[in-house]
Amino acid sequence: DVVVTQSPLSLPVGLGQPAFISCRSSRNLVYSDGNTYLNWFHQRPGQSPRRLIYHASKRDSGVPDRFSGSGSGTEFTLKINRVEAEDIGVYYCMQGTHWPFSFGGGTKVEI
Amino acid sequence: QVQLVESGGALVQPGGSLRLSCAASGFTFRDYYMSWIRQAPGKGLESVSYISGGSNDIQYSDSVRGRFTISRDNARNAVYLQMNDLRVEDTAVYYCTRDPRHFDYCGQGALVTVSS
Repeated sequence: DVVVTQSPLSLPVGLGQPAFISCRSSRNLVYSDGNTYLNWFHQRPGQSPRRLIYHASKRDSGVPDRFSGSGSGTEFTLKINRVEAEDIGVYYCMQGTHWPFSFGGGTKVEI
Repeated sequence: QVQLVESGGALVQPGGSLRLSCAASGFTFRDYYMSWIRQAPGKGLESVSYISGGSNDIQYSDSVRGRFTISRDNARNAVYLQMNDLRVEDTAVYYCTRDPRHFDYCGQGALVTVSS
């Protein structure tokens, strides 16, 4: 099975400061159709996960442009350009290339 | 707009059975793979199973294979998860999701608690 490793586990950050979350996969995430199925999600306490980024770098509709995804192959990064109070919660990366699709352990962002 | 609404969560004893349902709306249901993922209390996310639009492509995680069965009814726009021989470690919020590779939409979840 593909192991997805996120770091850091916890990320204290100041308002208006940038934040970076790393995601590493044990296998290359380029699928046979040429797409890279690497998603980023945000989950607030008591809520369902909400997707922010798909195909490693494509931002979902309605997601603020302070969120950006980058990377390829096995190394990926989520960047929050200027953290706002509403960005607190847990961020997960997820690979949808190799079944069973797997998630990183999560990064808790706190102000 | 896309909506996924899970139901059927409950408290059940170890060894018991439960069936979760997910009612979908706002999109052409038969055109999409659907899946179930779960999240144990205070823990991360885990893929459980997926099913293709025509029910001819089905996968399970090793932790549930042989105990859980995914199915769908395209006439009713619904996907189901039949869970048998439940274990304490199956305790989790179960989410219904559209398009398992992309995971673009997710329901609010159904809580399954397995305890004596």
